[in-house]
Amino acid sequence: DAGVIQSPRHEVTEMGQEVTLRCKPISGHDYLFWYRQTMMRGLELLIYFNNNVPIDDSGMPEDRFSAKMPNASFSTLKIQPSEPRDSAVYFCASRLTSGGNYNEQFFGPGTRLTVL
Amino acid sequence: GQSLEQPSEVTAVEGAIVQINCTYQTSGFYGLSWYQQHDGGAPTFLSYNALDGLEETGRFSSFLSRSDSYGYLLLQELQMKDSASYFCAVRDSPYKLSFGAGTTVTVRA
Repeated sequence: DAGVIQSPRHEVTEMGQEVTLRCKPISGHDYLFWYRQTMMRGLELLIYFNNNVPIDDSGMPEDRFSAKMPNASFSTLKIQPSEPRDSAVYFCASRLTSGGNYNEQFFGPGTRLTVL
Repeated sequence: GQSLEQPSEVTAVEGAIVQINCTYQTSGFYGLSWYQQHDGGAPTFLSYNALDGLEETGRFSSFLSRSDSYGYLLLQELQMKDSASYFCAVRDSPYKLSFGAGTTVTVRA
C-alpha cells in the first residue's frame, strides 16, 4: 500500500486566498483525521471522520476552516480566506476500526502551508 | 479537557539509555501511545499501552501506570538515527488522540 497520500506537499499563498489541502487515506481505513502542527501549539486535532461522516470538529479553529470527505478515498481541508497565522504543517492520518494494529494512526507526509 | 507533560529536550550519547516520562490528566482514558517524528517528517507509531506494565518492541519499551497517570518510553542502545522528537498521546475517547508537546532527543557520537 502507498500509505496516506497528501497534496500538495508545499503551498505558499497570500493572505486572503483560498487554500485546499487534499488527502487520500489508506485503502480500507474507515477513520480519517486532520491535524495541524506548529511550534507554538504542537500537534492539534482539527476534525475526524468515520465512514466519511464528520464525527468531531471541535478542533476546527474558525469558520474559515472546513473539511469534507465525499467518499472513502478522498478528503479535503479548505481554508477561506487564509491568514498568516494559518501557516503550519497540516497532517492527514487514517486508521482501522478493528483488526490489524487498530491502535495505530498512519500519518501522511504533511502539507507545509505558508500564508504571506 | 486533557493535559500531558513530557520533558522538552533530552541529550545522550550513542549506546546510552534514555527514559522519556509522560504524565497526563484526562477525563477519559483508553490508553497511551508513543509516536516518533524525525525533523521534517511525519509522526510514526511506536507503541500503545492500554494496561499497566511494560511493552517491549526491540530497543524501545513503553510502560504505563494507570493509577499514577504516568507512562514512559525507554530507548535503549541509542543510535544516531534515534535523534528525533517523541510524543506521548492519550487516547481519551475511542478514536481520538491528544498529543503532548514532544521531547526532542539528541544523540551525540
